[in-house]
Amino acid sequence: DGGITQSPKYLFRKEGQNVTLSCEQNLNHDAMYWYRQDPGQGLRLIYYSQIVNDFQKGDIAEGYSVSREKKESFPLTVTSAQKNPTAFYLCASGGLSSYNEQFFGPGTRLTVL
Amino acid sequence: GQNIDQPTEMTATEGAIVQINCTYQTSGFNGLFWYQQHAGEAPTFLSYNVLDGLEEKGRFSSFLSRSKGYSYLLLKELQMKDSASYLCAVNQAGTALIFGKGTTLSVSS
Repeated sequence: DGGITQSPKYLFRKEGQNVTLSCEQNLNHDAMYWYRQDPGQGLRLIYYSQIVNDFQKGDIAEGYSVSREKKESFPLTVTSAQKNPTAFYLCASGGLSSYNEQFFGPGTRLTVL
Repeated sequence: GQNIDQPTEMTATEGAIVQINCTYQTSGFNGLFWYQQHAGEAPTFLSYNVLDGLEEKGRFSSFLSRSKGYSYLLLKELQMKDSASYLCAVNQAGTALIFGKGTTLSVSS
């Protein structure tokens, strides 16, 4: 089955701890994205990558870091520098053309206590 | 700057037609996407418009006017399962999308 997976679905961490969210896709997509969604807000872009070993900051990159060592994987680390990390995090992948739709994973709901 | 506006909430009854509007002001334009998102779930793709006009896909249609910076999503023969958030997103350049805050549609019987 082709798709995009995120794990875990729910994650709890103590304040001050770094946490890494996983995102894996087997759709052979070149581009991968991380979004954050807060209640009443749309999706806001954190980071994206269009090729292995390269990535670009989105609108709200501060306090986050990513890596793209393999085409299939794009993990997101939420660092202790992120002031308000509790949110729903969505990973997506897609092709490199502007008309390519993005396919989303099921999301990870992170709660920082 | 960049701005995408959608109504926050809409209500409708089963079997009716509803139109969800989206206006945008962005520095570039490479197309507009509509996504559906049920509560707590991932968004799923509904439509893509890059040229002016109407694109029809079953019960859903999407319209675009680039000169007016305006799009709408039209849902016909509403069903209870259409209760969801509908997200308008613009591709300014490349592949990254800018999303509006979404419109929550509630369908009642």
